[in-house]
Amino acid sequence: SQQGEEDPQALSIQEGENATMNCSYKTSINNLQWYRQNSGRGLVHLILIRSNEREKHSGRLRVTLDTSKKSSSLLITASRAADTASYFCAPIRGGGGNKLTFGTGTQLKVEL
Amino acid sequence: DVKVTQSSRYLVKRTGEKVFLECVQDMDHENMFWYRQDPGLGLRLIYFSYDVKMKEKGDIPEGYSVSREKKERFSLILESASTNQTSMYLCASSSFRQQMNTEAFFGQGTRLTVV
Repeated sequence: SQQGEEDPQALSIQEGENATMNCSYKTSINNLQWYRQNSGRGLVHLILIRSNEREKHSGRLRVTLDTSKKSSSLLITASRAADTASYFCAPIRGGGGNKLTFGTGTQLKVEL
Repeated sequence: DVKVTQSSRYLVKRTGEKVFLECVQDMDHENMFWYRQDPGLGLRLIYFSYDVKMKEKGDIPEGYSVSREKKERFSLILESASTNQTSMYLCASSSFRQQMNTEAFFGQGTRLTVV
């Protein structure tokens, strides 16, 4: 299966703390993408990391990729209540005509 | 600047009706996808299309069909709606450039209730 599996399923932290969520996958990939979904809405793309990259930053987001372990992590630093959402990873294989599949996500709750 | 538009936000249909969910994107993307999302099950891929008139089954295609006659439009069809198809349906599109599938853009979702 191409889809990623996010861990933990749920995470509750206090505002200002860091949040780390993990993604494991099974196939070789071309890139891996992270998405956020606010309640009842469509997903929003956060960050894309290519298979030849090990780490990438975007604002308060830091993504790492370990292709030897087939895993990725998403770190949100100095979390805010507005970061409360579900987070999904999507491992993408190379070539065209590829499925874009998701797991069940990590539900992050940031409390004031 | 809305990029992926789903025809309805909420929809209520009767069992046995033929239901059309429409999705339009304005980014000239090659790939388009239909998902359903149910509590505890995440997003499950129903069908996707990587070109006009091309389609491939996703993980749960039973009870659904799709149509892509034009590049910008991807329709999901429930031939005979059933109550177990009550769900949130999400459409997405993405491009294929430089041998890489790029980020996907999602519509706002259609919450379908079959009664």
